[in-house]
Amino acid sequence: DTAVSQTPKYLVTQMGNDKSIKCEQNLGHDTMYWYKQDSKKFLKIMFSYNNKELIINETVPNRFSPKSPDKAHLNLHINSLELGDSAVYFCASSQDRGVANSPLHFGNGTRLTVT
Amino acid sequence: GQNIDQPTEMTATEGAIVQINCTYQTSGFNGLFWYQQHAGEAPTFLSYNVLDGLEEKGRFSSFLSRSKGYSYLLLKELQMKDSASYLCAVRGGDSNYQLIWGAGTKLIIKP
Repeated sequence: DTAVSQTPKYLVTQMGNDKSIKCEQNLGHDTMYWYKQDSKKFLKIMFSYNNKELIINETVPNRFSPKSPDKAHLNLHINSLELGDSAVYFCASSQDRGVANSPLHFGNGTRLTVT
Repeated sequence: GQNIDQPTEMTATEGAIVQINCTYQTSGFNGLFWYQQHAGEAPTFLSYNVLDGLEEKGRFSSFLSRSKGYSYLLLKELQMKDSASYLCAVRGGDSNYQLIWGAGTKLIIKP
């Protein structure tokens, strides 16, 4: 009965590799997000999709490419991984971007370590 | 620019009361959220305030003053399990209702 699930939980890889993180939500929400949380615990928005449409695309290197095959899924693909990409990546969803009081529901995070 | 300030770290004693403050400067305001994040886990929703005043939910209460750009989270009867980071986030006035996040306050509870 997991609401927002993302895989894998841990990802250790070498510089230059390409990796993907998958995210799925079963809450029927319209909006999904990818956040990066660095070692200082600051949450930074990377992307947001509303009903499969990209609505937020922050200043993120184009090595990061989100894909939303349907509104319940938002995957993140990262090309040519760099040391600075090491962080925890959180997927989240909310009811609708137009509902101000709709809280975000987060997945358990993917701890990415690039060596 | 848009900014949210919270203390980096606070320490309190089990059974006591602690108040975690959050001040914000944002272009537009559509509500303020508090989240709890235990180490190594995901943030979980605690409260939402959009009107001035105090909202109480069990041991946790959240207060908002829009005119002062100020909120606080009040935790009563502290338990060891309350040791966590507490994140303040404001929903701004842009068309996407984007959330602006504070860096979080790490709360340490001592016996």
